[in-house]
Amino acid sequence: QQQVKQSPQSLIVQKGGIPIINCAYENTAFDYFPWYQQFPGKGPALLIAIRPDVSEKKEGRFTISFNKSAKQFSLHIMDSQPGDSATYFCAASTTGTASKLTFGTGTRLQVTL
Amino acid sequence: NAGVMQNPRHLVRRRGQEARLRCSPMKGHSHVYWYRQLPEEGLKFMVYLQKENIIDESGMPKERFSAEFPKEGPSILRIQQVVRGDSAAYFCASSRGQLNEKLFFGSGTQLSVL
Repeated sequence: QQQVKQSPQSLIVQKGGIPIINCAYENTAFDYFPWYQQFPGKGPALLIAIRPDVSEKKEGRFTISFNKSAKQFSLHIMDSQPGDSATYFCAASTTGTASKLTFGTGTRLQVTL
Repeated sequence: NAGVMQNPRHLVRRRGQEARLRCSPMKGHSHVYWYRQLPEEGLKFMVYLQKENIIDESGMPKERFSAEFPKEGPSILRIQQVVRGDSAAYFCASSRGQLNEKLFFGSGTQLSVL
């Protein structure tokens, strides 16, 4: 089944905290795992992505951890800021020209002062 | 370099009318994807098109929905005889090549069916 399960549904952290959002997938053929950030009234924007040949990828304050055997991956936001308040979606796909992204249901993050 | 342009931003239709949603991909991009987003849900894939070709329409409802990406002009998502359940945000995305390049999304069209 082509499904990606995301948790939690919502998350509130204080400024400087480290929110963690988790995703789990079922399809072992998935080999591309991006995270998207969406602000209200806007389309999703690619934040960071990982492939299963590495266990961790870091870009600025954003880190993806990937556990291939558990079929899980997570997003960590270091030193979170109020401007990080948005909805975050994980996604997965298989490589190929006819692929499409399967999205998680999203996590609404609020970073308070 | 303008991003993915979608119009209209908001579209209101009465039940039974037709809705036409337009998407102009980023310059140099020839791959277009349509996704639908319901409240409190993630995006659901609908259709993937290249110029003049439908590559994958496995996410499209079998009836009333159609999509095209002509040689000239924007991609069009057409919904005939709309029903209240069609109310959603419809997002278009584009990429230069195969999917696993960076996918750029437009700001979406919010369709409301009265």
